[in-house]
Amino acid sequence: KAGVTQTPRYLIKTRGQQVTLSCSPISGHRSVSWYQQTPGQGLQFLFEYFSETQRNKGNFPGRFSGRQFSNSRSEMNVSTLELGDSALYLCASSPGPPGDTQYFGPGTRLTVL
Amino acid sequence: DQQVKQNSPSLSVQEGRISILNCDYTNSMFDYFLWYKKYPAEGPTFLISISSIKDKNEDGRFTVFLNKSAKHLSLHIVPSQPGDSAVYFCAASARENTDKLIFGTGTRLQVFP
Repeated sequence: KAGVTQTPRYLIKTRGQQVTLSCSPISGHRSVSWYQQTPGQGLQFLFEYFSETQRNKGNFPGRFSGRQFSNSRSEMNVSTLELGDSALYLCASSPGPPGDTQYFGPGTRLTVL
Repeated sequence: DQQVKQNSPSLSVQEGRISILNCDYTNSMFDYFLWYKKYPAEGPTFLISISSIKDKNEDGRFTVFLNKSAKHLSLHIVPSQPGDSAVYFCAASARENTDKLIFGTGTRLQVFP
């Protein structure tokens, strides 16, 4: 069974631009969570989706948004990029509702110049 | 292929007893290991770490043991408390202080009275 895939793996953007990151969960998994990983802040929770519904949202500004499609694939969008948005964005999927054990993807490394 | 494996999705322990969470890894380049604790709708928070130059690290009720030859580490919680009930993630990196961690799938610990 294929693992969690994230595209693109690397991305370079400039301040003010917007970006969309994609996550494909493991086949059959219905829950997707997004995290931001930085050296200073560690792993911070962004949001989690289950069956196309956002179940929980972390403490991030409205520039960060996401959605989940009927096939459980999820996208995360960041508008008006800031330098501080440079980070590794991890997606994790789990079979059932949020709170279950999670399989992490390889991450998308976003660099904002 | 999972480089960091937590083969027990869940563990149930009585309050006051010892909780032992296990983690196995396959990449011999990993030299820094961490345990994270995660509550629902939050990102994993750092709990305790160990460098490959040590085989044990202790912090209060939490002790992590590393067996490099077996590529195995474990987290011991003594005594277990109901507030310890959470999902625990094992993570590894190829060098200390990297922002690129490889996570296991997590083990849900439930501590009952």
